[in-house]
Amino acid sequence: SQQGEEDPQALSIQEGENATMNCSYKTSINNLQWYRQNSGRGLVHLILIRSNEREKHSGRLRVTLDTSKKSSSLLITASRAADTASYFCATDAYGNEKLTFGTGTRLTIIP
Amino acid sequence: DAGVIQSPRHEVTEMGQEVTLRCKPISGHNSLFWYRQTMMRGLELLIYFNNNVPIDDSGMPEDRFSAKMPNASFSTLKIQPSEPRDSAVYFCASGAPVSGNTIYFGEGSWLTVV
Repeated sequence: SQQGEEDPQALSIQEGENATMNCSYKTSINNLQWYRQNSGRGLVHLILIRSNEREKHSGRLRVTLDTSKKSSSLLITASRAADTASYFCATDAYGNEKLTFGTGTRLTIIP
Repeated sequence: DAGVIQSPRHEVTEMGQEVTLRCKPISGHNSLFWYRQTMMRGLELLIYFNNNVPIDDSGMPEDRFSAKMPNASFSTLKIQPSEPRDSAVYFCASGAPVSGNTIYFGEGSWLTVV
């Protein structure tokens, strides 16, 4: 079953604009991660945020986590054509390394 | 590091045939995961191993699916007999405590059952 639901399902923006994707989940978590999947490839880890953190940055990525709302957002600033991919959130619970993935957001950057 | 290696990358088989997918995790990783991805159901965890022992196989669809991990460097996912609804991309991923709960995916095995 899906733990996370990403919103929107698909997003198209112009190159240079910022892209924001959201993830909602259902049960208490230990960590939340974001992964990227290019077409026809495996998923690649982008960033991890712990349940006691509220915001984290990595390069052009900014992740926020609101455990009271059971939601997270991924912001990609100054988007590039190479950012075109599907983005997934994944959660795990305390004492359990099992990762459950959301439904994904398909991001298209228009050059 | 070679990353997670999966084989075959693509397979087309007839309904009723046995399918065996293979995975070599990253050296030193002690957790191994098998996921299935389809348009309809997204990314589903089928089974995961820790130190070669199956920990959670609740995602395995039915008895036609089986997975083994005979040693730390090799795992198989077998479907017997295969059915058209098994058509999907099957991903293997591995992880280790030193990487936190981050896991590393292979490029997937694209299975088509006709």
